[in-house]
Amino acid sequence: GAGVSQSPSNKVTEKGKDVELRCDPISGHTALYWYRQSLGQGLEFLIYFQGNSAPDKSGLPSDRFSAERTGGSVSTLTIQRTQQEDSAVYLCASSLLAGGSGNTIYFGEGSWLTVV
Amino acid sequence: QKEVEQDPGPLSVPEGAIVSLNCTYSNSAFQYFMWYRQYSRKGPELLMYTYSSGNKEDGRFTAQVDKSSKYISLFIRDSQPSDSATYLCAMGSGNTPLVFGKGTRLSVIA
Repeated sequence: GAGVSQSPSNKVTEKGKDVELRCDPISGHTALYWYRQSLGQGLEFLIYFQGNSAPDKSGLPSDRFSAERTGGSVSTLTIQRTQQEDSAVYLCASSLLAGGSGNTIYFGEGSWLTVV
Repeated sequence: QKEVEQDPGPLSVPEGAIVSLNCTYSNSAFQYFMWYRQYSRKGPELLMYTYSSGNKEDGRFTAQVDKSSKYISLFIRDSQPSDSATYLCAMGSGNTPLVFGKGTRLSVIA
């Protein structure tokens, strides 16, 4: 696709339910990132996939959070037993190569999650 | 101390003003410094990228990096209402994911 595509764009869920957020990166991009953006908190790194390497999960806030990337392309971020503090915008990004080396990271529009 | 510190604002300026946005950081290993612009309910988009110390100019935008002071700046000349957005600094090294500041909300008033 032309850009990073995320779905759903908006999700309202009840506390305790599980949610899945999907990210379709730019075709050919080997690196994929999930960030979380809460009001006044900036972008918080969650997890990073680079090619076939083991993902960097160091930013996941708890074991309720997990992510997969199938076939080196589409990624799903799963939040189990959602809590109100999980309410945030979940941003996916991709880059041709590893982002920290200066390659441009392209962000999707985000999935806006509200836990009620 | 957080790795990257950025004043969240909000910052409100009249049209035509020069805007100065800044970030400080603590990790001396950072080599790549970027500024992202984020409009309301949109994803961030890359605005400026600088490697190591120095200045970079692109139109009305100038990015400065002072590694000795661990301080980066973004200047916007002749600011326009369309510049109203949140500006996030980001930095990284090697292949590690970028670390972002909290973002500064800027409003340019016509």
